[in-house]
Amino acid sequence: SAVISQKPSRDICQRGTSLTIQCQVDSQVTMMFWYRQQPGQSLTLIATANQGSEATYESGFVIDKFPISRPNLTFSTLTVSNMSPEDSSIYLCSVERRVRAGGTEAFFGQGTRLTVV
Amino acid sequence: DAKTTQPPSMDCAEGRAANLPCNHSTISGNEYVYWYRQIHSQGPQYIIHGLKNNETNEMASLIITEDRKSSTLILPHATLRDTAVYYCIVRVHGSGNTGKLIFGQGTTLQVKP
Repeated sequence: SAVISQKPSRDICQRGTSLTIQCQVDSQVTMMFWYRQQPGQSLTLIATANQGSEATYESGFVIDKFPISRPNLTFSTLTVSNMSPEDSSIYLCSVERRVRAGGTEAFFGQGTRLTVV
Repeated sequence: DAKTTQPPSMDCAEGRAANLPCNHSTISGNEYVYWYRQIHSQGPQYIIHGLKNNETNEMASLIITEDRKSSTLILPHATLRDTAVYYCIVRVHGSGNTGKLIFGQGTTLQVKP
């Protein structure tokens, strides 16, 4: 298994400000994933963060709005920039491990519940 | 977009088997079927996955039809703690490349006393 710690667990922020979410994993991983879960909705992948290279963003998400850092193999940050109330969501960090031939298991942090007012 | 279709909600009596269906009629030959669940206020949790054979682990069983166009997740003896949103996901596996987890809307399973 993998233990993932996210900080902060929740925050209330003023519109126009930025929040940086931290994700710490208990062992080295190649890829880390960032998801958003809007109220009452499913998870949406924001981007994939590889150590030593720029993050790969999914359609609808851009680096200026969600800059990501990946300074080493156990840590990543996601910044939500210039926030608006529409950014109010739960943000989750995830990593994966192989479970058996051909399969992987994803582990998720507990999430950061962001409310923008 | 998610490549799976699931009923939005289901009920199950405590102690009975919960059978959660999933349609994935456009699944490709190199795509696996994965199941995750999300209990309220927690991150998703891996349950099981399979390619074409039926699979069983300590949490559940996965039955995949012969044509692989649909599957069923079976929780053999549902408990109240199994109340959650269950996601069926298809993803590709290839040499050095694992496809992304794309979550659909899932099935909300309510286990009732």
